[in-house]
Amino acid sequence: AQSVTQPDIHITVSEGASLELRCNYSYGATPYLFWYVQSPGQGLQLLLKYFSGDTLVQGIKGFEAEFKRSQSSFNLRKPSVHWSDAAEYFCAVGEGTYKYIFGTGTRLKVLA
Amino acid sequence: GAVVSQHPSRVICKSGTSVKIECRSLDFQATTMFWYRQFPKKSLMLMATSNEGSKATYEQGVEKDKFLINHASLTLSTLTVTSAHPEDSSFYICSSPGRGPEMNTEAFFGQGTRLTVV
Repeated sequence: AQSVTQPDIHITVSEGASLELRCNYSYGATPYLFWYVQSPGQGLQLLLKYFSGDTLVQGIKGFEAEFKRSQSSFNLRKPSVHWSDAAEYFCAVGEGTYKYIFGTGTRLKVLA
Repeated sequence: GAVVSQHPSRVICKSGTSVKIECRSLDFQATTMFWYRQFPKKSLMLMATSNEGSKATYEQGVEKDKFLINHASLTLSTLTVTSAHPEDSSFYICSSPGRGPEMNTEAFFGQGTRLTVV
């Protein structure tokens, strides 16, 4: 069965430090992969997506993610975190009909 | 990009009453709408899939008589939580795949509805 795993429930980093959020997936075919961010009480904002092609994907707000088929991973990175990045981050796999399977989320805390 | 407008953003209702949540596609035809639910500190779980003009398909464990979905037009899908109870308090969000020559293969999400049943 398809699944998405985000191993880290909580991550705390200092402002200005680098960030990597992990995501592993289990999917039979070539996956559509997404990272979303959810601020408290808000909906979902798409950070970036991977469908095919270049495995390093650039997104909004300075985020990037790398698709590694051999590791079934799609980790999200940012070189320098800002306090406004504190939020919950969801990795998702899209099935062919645009149904999404979401990971359990990683809550990011940023220390001043 | 495509816009899915979801209303209300927040609603508080009394136990036993019903609440309707609307999702409208503003600039495209949403033949399909997905409804998700997010429990506190949990991920989003797919509840049901609605297709315009036909009955919704519910995921295992979701009570179709409690969560009524109507998708009567290509721009509107509604979720009605009937006889709401405190355990129905949750964050509900809809999404629809984009359609059209400029749309990529991704789903567009509404803003979500925070339901609190007291």
